[in-house]
Amino acid sequence: EAGVAQSPRYKIIEKRQSVAFWCNPISGHATLYWYQQILGQGPKLLIQFQNNGVVDDSQLPKDRFSAERLKGVDSTLKIQPAKLEDSAVYLCASSLNRQGGSPLHFGNGTRLTVT
Amino acid sequence: SQKIEQNSEALNIQEGKTATLTCNYTNYSPAYLQWYRQDPGRGPVFLLLIRENEKEKRKERLKVTFDTTLKQSLFHITASQPADSATYLCARVDSSYKLIFGSGTRLLVRP
Repeated sequence: EAGVAQSPRYKIIEKRQSVAFWCNPISGHATLYWYQQILGQGPKLLIQFQNNGVVDDSQLPKDRFSAERLKGVDSTLKIQPAKLEDSAVYLCASSLNRQGGSPLHFGNGTRLTVT
Repeated sequence: SQKIEQNSEALNIQEGKTATLTCNYTNYSPAYLQWYRQDPGRGPVFLLLIRENEKEKRKERLKVTFDTTLKQSLFHITASQPADSATYLCARVDSSYKLIFGSGTRLLVRP
């Protein structure tokens, strides 16, 4: 099966600019996640979708971050305007469902550098 | 707060030895713990899951234990190889089915 696809692989922007990341999950996976991973830390959940509805976005800085999952398949994560502290790897993951035993399948992430 | 903690110091071992990584949790009892492997520049890859009513789970050279009394999970790699060098992440599933990760432990296996 094809894995989780993410693009772009790398992005460098200046602070106050905007950026968008794209994710295509594994076919048939109902649950999609966006994680932020800062160097040396574990992934931190930003937002979780079940089909095209938001299940949890409690850790998403909503004044600058937004995400959508149209038609319950692909998803985009946007940052506007970016801050220096947003420099991180943004990981997309998908799972069959939200059950605790359902493993996550991750893409290789987008490395964002904000200068 | 409900924390999940891993040893931030890297583990450096000789090829052929058993690597043992620790995951501790406080103030709650997770129903599941998951373990992932992450290589530089790549996303985490799922390895094993253990439920709270399971004491041990095995997969090839990997073994995970879950001690609810000690509030700890141990992850073992037997007969370790240089190719096992990576960062290993443990993660708990919270009551709303969110997966919360620890900070990971870097393993280096010397040939």
